[in-house]
Amino acid sequence: SQTIHQWPATLVQPVGSPLSLECTVEGTSNPNLYWYRQAAGRGLQLLFYSVGIGQISSEVPQNLSASRPQDRQFILSSKKLLLSDSGFYLCAWSIAEQTDTQYFGPGTRLTVL
Amino acid sequence: AQSVTQLDSQVPVFEEAPVELRCNYSSSVSVYLFWYVQYPNQGLQLLLKYLSGSTLVKGINGFEAEFNKSQTSFHLRKPSVHISDTAEYFCAVTPFGSSYKLIFGSGTRLLVRP
Repeated sequence: SQTIHQWPATLVQPVGSPLSLECTVEGTSNPNLYWYRQAAGRGLQLLFYSVGIGQISSEVPQNLSASRPQDRQFILSSKKLLLSDSGFYLCAWSIAEQTDTQYFGPGTRLTVL
Repeated sequence: AQSVTQLDSQVPVFEEAPVELRCNYSSSVSVYLFWYVQYPNQGLQLLLKYLSGSTLVKGINGFEAEFNKSQTSFHLRKPSVHISDTAEYFCAVTPFGSSYKLIFGSGTRLLVRP
């Protein structure tokens, strides 16, 4: 069966520091991968998605970037964090040939102070 | 463009009572519809989805939802809730032909009281 991992689970970072969040998927090949952000009391907003290694599409202009160095690895980064980057970050995957359903990871709680 | 509206930000209900969580959407193209549940500090779990066929969809944990195309609604129901159903519930849509774009509502917090 497929599983999706995210780490770290929680992170507290000062403003201006760099960020790297990692997501890996097991049990499937060539998945579509997604990064979402959930701000406090709000729904989820799609940040990036990827249909293959090195292929990244950005949905919202922001202080963040994403990379996919391996088939089942998706990384969310920032060079300098802002207070507004605080939130709950969720990674998700879907089957490339059946993209109607996305499956979510456990999430990373990021607090920028 | 698509949008999803969940009018109720919080729904309090007593244990063993029925519940309905409302979801309305707006889209110029046909969509797939989903309900996800999020327990505190956890990721989202798929409850149920409507892709085609019967408009009444049954999901996990005794939940069901009915797709009403004329009213552009996809309300979630459960005949008898448990304390363990306390969570945040998100309605979402994906437009045909752009299935990577999962568009979420703002969520409804279901609070089940003993």
